[in-house]
Amino acid sequence: DIQMTQSPSSLSASVGDRVTITCRASQGISNYLAWYQQKPGKVPKLLIYAASTLQSGVPSRFSGSGSGTDFTLTISSLQPEDVATYYCQKYNSAPSITFGQGTRLEIK
Amino acid sequence: EVQLVQSGAEVKKPGESLRISCKGSGYSFTSYWISWVRQMPGKGLEWMGRIDPSDSYTNYSPSFQGHVTISADKSISTAYLQWSSLKASDTAMYYCARHFRSQWLVLQWYFDLWGRGTLVTVSS
Repeated sequence: DIQMTQSPSSLSASVGDRVTITCRASQGISNYLAWYQQKPGKVPKLLIYAASTLQSGVPSRFSGSGSGTDFTLTISSLQPEDVATYYCQKYNSAPSITFGQGTRLEIK
Repeated sequence: EVQLVQSGAEVKKPGESLRISCKGSGYSFTSYWISWVRQMPGKGLEWMGRIDPSDSYTNYSPSFQGHVTISADKSISTAYLQWSSLKASDTAMYYCARHFRSQWLVLQWYFDLWGRGTLVTVSS
């Protein structure tokens, strides 16, 4: 099975900072990767799919990149409302779907 | 409003059976697959399986195959997740999620609409 590893597991950053979260697949998955945001006590929200396509309604400060095994989610200017746990999800060999373990983002 | 409405929280004893539900509204229920996702307390997301409500075809994660059953009743736009014998380790939040349909009308294996979750607590 392909494993998805996110790093860091948690991070703390200041408002306005550029934040990058990494997701690494144990084997190549082309661009079959999605990113979700889960705010505390809330439901997951789709941010990005196909590694770099922004879901409708998601602020443009969020972006995704990568292909193959290495992917990144970037927040260009961190806002207080971005406090959340972020998950990557691979879907290259559906129905084998795997989420990363999550990255917890806090405000410094 | 397009939404998935899940049934309320449940408290059960080990060995009991349970079925939780997820009702779709505001869209064509049979045009989108529904998946179930588990989130154990303080942990991450785990995909359990999915159903095509139009024909009730299912796929399961190997981790959940044989432990749960996913079904649907398209006449009432509702999907179900059920257990025949609960364990304490089934204690978790369970989300239903709708699969994304692309602009070319192809269903994808990621999720654009989520229910609010059903908290299942299994304790003696």
